[in-house]
Amino acid sequence: AQRVTQPEKLLSVFKGAPVELKCNYSYSGSPELFWYVQYSRQRLQLLLRHISRESIKGFTADLNKGETSFHLKKPFAQEEDSAMYYCALIRGNTGKLIFGQGTTLQVKP
Amino acid sequence: DAMVIQNPRYQVTQFGKPVTLSCSQTLNHNVMYWYQQKSSQAPKLLFHYYDKDFNNEADTPDNFQSRRPNTSFCFLDIRSPGLGDAAMYLCATSKSFWDEQYFGPGTRLTVT
Repeated sequence: AQRVTQPEKLLSVFKGAPVELKCNYSYSGSPELFWYVQYSRQRLQLLLRHISRESIKGFTADLNKGETSFHLKKPFAQEEDSAMYYCALIRGNTGKLIFGQGTTLQVKP
Repeated sequence: DAMVIQNPRYQVTQFGKPVTLSCSQTLNHNVMYWYQQKSSQAPKLLFHYYDKDFNNEADTPDNFQSRRPNTSFCFLDIRSPGLGDAAMYLCATSKSFWDEQYFGPGTRLTVT
C-alpha cells in the first residue's frame, strides 16, 4: 500500500537552528515526492518536488530510495518558516496526492 | 491574481440539507480535484476530473457528487450532509497528473 509517514506532529526549534522534517514513504515503483507547505491563513502550496532538485527558501530534500525517505532540511531556521509542512507522493497516473499527516514547524525567536 | 477560487469560504448547512460548494480557476488547467480535510488530518482526495473525465475514489461516499460544466468551474454537491461531513473542502488544479497542484483557500463546511 502507498503510504507517507511524518513521525513528528510538532517540531519546535529556535531561530538559526538547523531543521529536519522527517518523511518516510512506502511505494512500489519510482515515487514522485513533494513537500507542500501551509502558512498561517494561507492556502496549501508546493514548496519543492524531488525531481526539480531545487533549493526553495533555503530548504532542500533528497530522495533516499534505500531508506525510503524524503526528509526536508534547512541549515538555519527563520521565524517565517513557521508553518504546517506536508510530505506527499503522487499515485501512478492519477494525480492523487497521498499526504502524510503533516508536521507543524514552530520557529521560536 | 487569485488562480483557484472557492466560494463560499464558510458554509453552514443543516443536517440532511443539500449543499453545493464551488471552485473556479483562471489557470486553464486540465485537472481539477476535490479534497476533504478534517481537523488535524491530512487532505484526502474525493474525486477528480481530467477535462470531462470523472474519477471517483473508491472510498468516497455516494453522498458526494461533482460536476464540471466547463474547464473553469467545478462543483461539489453533498446530497444529504451528515455531521461527519463537517470539514474543510479543498479544490486544486493541475495542468496534468504529474504537475504541481494549485490549491484554493478552501471552504469550511459546518453541519448543524
